[in-house]
Amino acid sequence: DAGVTQSPTHLIKTRGQHVTLRCSPISGHKSVSWYQQVLGQGPQFIFQYYEKEERGRGNFPDRFSARQFPNYSSELNVNALLLGDSALYLCASSLWGSGSGELFFGEGSRLTVL
Amino acid sequence: GIQVEQSPPDLILQEGANSTLRCNFSDSVNNLQWFHQNPWGQLINLFYIPSGTKQNGRLSATTVATERYSLLYISSSQTTDSGVYFCAVSGANSKLTFGKGITLSVRP
Repeated sequence: DAGVTQSPTHLIKTRGQHVTLRCSPISGHKSVSWYQQVLGQGPQFIFQYYEKEERGRGNFPDRFSARQFPNYSSELNVNALLLGDSALYLCASSLWGSGSGELFFGEGSRLTVL
Repeated sequence: GIQVEQSPPDLILQEGANSTLRCNFSDSVNNLQWFHQNPWGQLINLFYIPSGTKQNGRLSATTVATERYSLLYISSSQTTDSGVYFCAVSGANSKLTFGKGITLSVRP
């Protein structure tokens, strides 16, 4: 069975541009979460979606947005990119949207902003 | 929000040695997971262990929820065990809060 898949794996953008990252959860999983990991730090929570509804939002500016589609895949959008947005963006899927239940992560999308 | 502290921050071992990694958290949790992050950045699930004890080969983990800590044991360490180990917890929602990680280096 396929795990969590993310695309693209690597990308380079310039300041001010926009980026869209994509995630497909494990088959049967209904919740998708996004995390940002900058070099040397642990991942930081950005968003959680469950059954196409936003269930949680971390401390990130409004330039960050996301959505979940009827097939439970998800997109993370970042507008007006800043140098500080350079990071590994991780997507996680889980069966449910509640606190219990194991999360599984994809390989990540490594974004470099020049 | 929940605070997570991991110790020690760095650990250097000789191949074949045993080690204990610690995770302290500040509030009751519904989820606690241990991950190993490989050099390419992927988080590999080691244990889902909000309470109790589990073992998987040379690795085992124990979470004492009432005392708000978890331990990850690595026995007979191998060079392939090198990398960063994260503890992550969540409360009522699914938002995982990660510790800063423990960097393990196993020397041949």
